[in-house]
Amino acid sequence: NAGVTQTPKFQVLKTGQSMTLQCAQDMNHNSMYWYRQDPGMGLRLIYYSASEGTTDKGEVPNGYNVSRLNKREFSLRLESAAPSQTSVYFCASSEAGTSLTANYGYTFGSGTRLTVV
Amino acid sequence: DQQVKQNSPSLSVQEGRISILNCDYTNSMFDYFLWYKKYPAEGPTFLISISSIKDKNEDGRFTVFLNKSAKHLSLHIVPSQPGDSAVYFCAATGGTSYGKLTFGQGTILTVHP
Repeated sequence: NAGVTQTPKFQVLKTGQSMTLQCAQDMNHNSMYWYRQDPGMGLRLIYYSASEGTTDKGEVPNGYNVSRLNKREFSLRLESAAPSQTSVYFCASSEAGTSLTANYGYTFGSGTRLTVV
Repeated sequence: DQQVKQNSPSLSVQEGRISILNCDYTNSMFDYFLWYKKYPAEGPTFLISISSIKDKNEDGRFTVFLNKSAKHLSLHIVPSQPGDSAVYFCAATGGTSYGKLTFGQGTILTVHP
């Protein structure tokens, strides 16, 4: 089925370990996003990529890096995991890009539940 | 600084009755608003949206109302069904945040049979 695929679905890391969360979309969307969801905080934007070759910081970028590998793939890297990064991570894509469009709807992946101990 | 706020963490409604979920925003540059629905262990899915040039948008059982002067929007679900039980997120975009969505904290809706 078309959509956004995230891997892995679950991960447990020790403090200081590194890992990369993978995201791929097959809808030919220009824009891709990484959000984290924490209780009582809603979804907060970590990084986004308005189009292939560009990335920008969101609301909570500290401790993360991203790579827009091509139009389909947008990865999120934790270089040295901390317990504060325990969260559910969602990747999303949209057609919005930087041009005016009536459709701001995001398509989300099913999430990666990350626990840092 | 929470620019989009959903002040009710949870709402419980009887099947067949109306569910009203509320959302407030502070950024006057926001001009497009969306509601997302999320089931456990799934990603959020787009439900309905409204542009600031309108004050109401309907899609079947779902209606979103926008009051720009009060910086307030609401989602009405009529009639509510048990399958509507989920977390509902309000989101907004516009101005310098164009294309990026700012989400509220979410409201857990439980519809009892």
